[in-house]
Amino acid sequence: AQSVTQLDSQVPVFEEAPVELRCNYSSSVSVYLFWYVQYPNQGLQLLLKYLSGSTLVKGINGFEAEFNKSQTSFHLRKPSVHISDTAEYFCAVRSNTGNQFYFGTGTSLTVIP
Amino acid sequence: DTEVTQTPKHLVMGMTNKKSLKCEQHMGHRAMYWYKQKAKKPPELMFVYSYEKLSINESVPSRFSPECPNSSLLNLHLHALQPEDSALYLCASSQEIIAVPGTQYFGPGTRLLVL
Repeated sequence: AQSVTQLDSQVPVFEEAPVELRCNYSSSVSVYLFWYVQYPNQGLQLLLKYLSGSTLVKGINGFEAEFNKSQTSFHLRKPSVHISDTAEYFCAVRSNTGNQFYFGTGTSLTVIP
Repeated sequence: DTEVTQTPKHLVMGMTNKKSLKCEQHMGHRAMYWYKQKAKKPPELMFVYSYEKLSINESVPSRFSPECPNSSLLNLHLHALQPEDSALYLCASSQEIIAVPGTQYFGPGTRLLVL
């Protein structure tokens, strides 16, 4: 079985500062990793995904994430955040043997002016 | 086009009502999903349809009844709901090809309030 841990439930950060949202996973098989963003009263929007190949993945809105197999991590980063980045961020994992996603508990990012 | 549409956007219903949520995608995806999401919580998987057949039912109460009339449509029929069923209901779809992992694309959700 797979599981995802997002250690930080809330992350406040000042505008134009860098941010890292942490995600760790556990799995006995190969996995695919995703980050989704959810703005208030909206559905989930795909930010980026790691399927294979380069461990550094670039996504939309200036976000990137690095897959680290030895540390079983997939942390999300942005060098300079904007007010509009205030949202809930979910890390998700999917195994290579099924179509079920497992979501982390989410991290609420608040960008402070 | 990576759009999944859901109707209605908002729904208020009594505990004796029957209503349906609708989801549509035209991306050629053959897997479709229903999730329930409570405030400040991650989505909880309810049902998965693969090639129009129900493949996963996460022990969802029978007052929720999914239906997949064709490869583009997914319905969720609601009957005799409880106030604790109030939540955001999300639909998602993904492309299912053997050995190719499908990314799930989500709709905007239907916010349901049961009185």
